[in-house]
Formats: sequence, structure tokens, C-alpha cells
Amino acid sequence: QSALTQPASVSGSPGQSIAISCTGTSSDVGGYNYVSWYQQHPGKAPKLMIYDVSNRPSGVSNRFSGSKSGNTASLTISGLQAEDEADYYCNSYTSSSSVVFGGGTKLTVL
Amino acid sequence: QLQLQESGPGLVKPSETLSLSCTVSGGSISGSRYYWGWIRQPPGKGLEWIGSMYYSGSTYYNPSLKSRVTISVDTSKTQFSLKLSSVTAADTAVYYCARQLATVTTSDYWGQGTLVTVSS
Repeated sequence: QSALTQPASVSGSPGQSIAISCTGTSSDVGGYNYVSWYQQHPGKAPKLMIYDVSNRPSGVSNRFSGSKSGNTASLTISGLQAEDEADYYCNSYTSSSSVVFGGGTKLTVL
Repeated sequence: QLQLQESGPGLVKPSETLSLSCTVSGGSISGSRYYWGWIRQPPGKGLEWIGSMYYSGSTYYNPSLKSRVTISVDTSKTQFSLKLSSVTAADTAVYYCARQLATVTTSDYWGQGTLVTVSS
């Protein structure tokens, strides 16, 4: 299985909105509404931010939202804050009954 | 509050078997509706799903690792383990254990991670 495709890096200024894309195929992202997004700060374990495409766990800021169109899922962060600077990973369920991650996106808050 | 903690050797020799345990506190593995899984991250690289196990014992593995991986639950029901055989330097990574919801894509509780280096 091939990794999902994410941009290597994105950046934005405080207060702005950014979106991170996660592109797969009809055998993973496009075929199931099982896409999750994780935030990872350096040296820390990943943190669940979005699950099942657009659901936000309790305690996660409503500035984080998820969506999907066809084979591409997206994570949108509105009102960027300095603490949002981190690596972000998407993953998806696959037709092989497995899980595939994206390569990760480094978010820089300018 | 659920907590997970990985434990095991930090150094494994090439061709040997990597063995890690994950101790779960603040909750039980057995009789729950959750999956329990392992995810790894090579230094400076991205996340890779290794596999997941349902509390009843059903297992699901990454196809690229399936021939070398075994995930199982300890009879005490407070630990689950990972065994990865015939390791090479490419298996050097931080290994995380996690609790996963019914869709194994959703890992809502994570251990802090443990670095395993494969080297002679």
C-alpha cells in the first residue's frame, strides 16, 4: 500500500486559515469515511484532532475541522495560533483492512 | 484517565526479534469495544501503522510487515505486546502503542513512545 500524499510543508500567519490536503485513492480515502488527522509536536506522541473525516474529539478546539471530496481529505485550521505549529498526519482505512498514513505536513506559523 | 506505557529493550541486534509490551492503566483491555495497536516512526520520518488487535484476539496487520509481526494480549489483560522478527536497521524507530476506536484509524490514547535501535 502506498502512503497517502500530503504537502511537505504549509505556512500561515497568526489569525489566518490554512488547509492541509491528504490525497489517496478509491481504495482508501475515497472509499471510506474513515480518515483521521493527528498533530505531533517535536518529541511528543501524536494527538488525535479529527476522526471519521470530520468529527472532533472532546477537548479539541473548534478551529480544527475536516472534510473530504472524492479521494482527497482536508484538514482546515482557522485562526492560526503559534501553538498550532507542528507536524500533521492523516490516515485512512484501506480496502485491505489495514491503515495507511500520509507522509506528514510541517505547519509553520509565521 | 487511561494511560499507556511502552516497555522493552532499546537495542536489538539485526536478525533478532524485537519485543515490546504496552501496559494499560486506568482501564481494561478485556471486555472492551476497543482495538489496541502499534504504530512506529523512524527518526525524522513519518508514522507507520504496524497492526491492531481487538480485545477478543482478532488481529489486523500492515501487509508490508505481516510476515514478521505478532500482536497479542497478556493473560493479565492489562498488557498487550508486539513481536517483530528478523529485524534490520530499517526497523529502527520510536514505537508507540495506542488505543483505537472501532475504526482502527482512530487512535485516541497513545503511549509516550519508546525508541528501539537495531544495531550490532
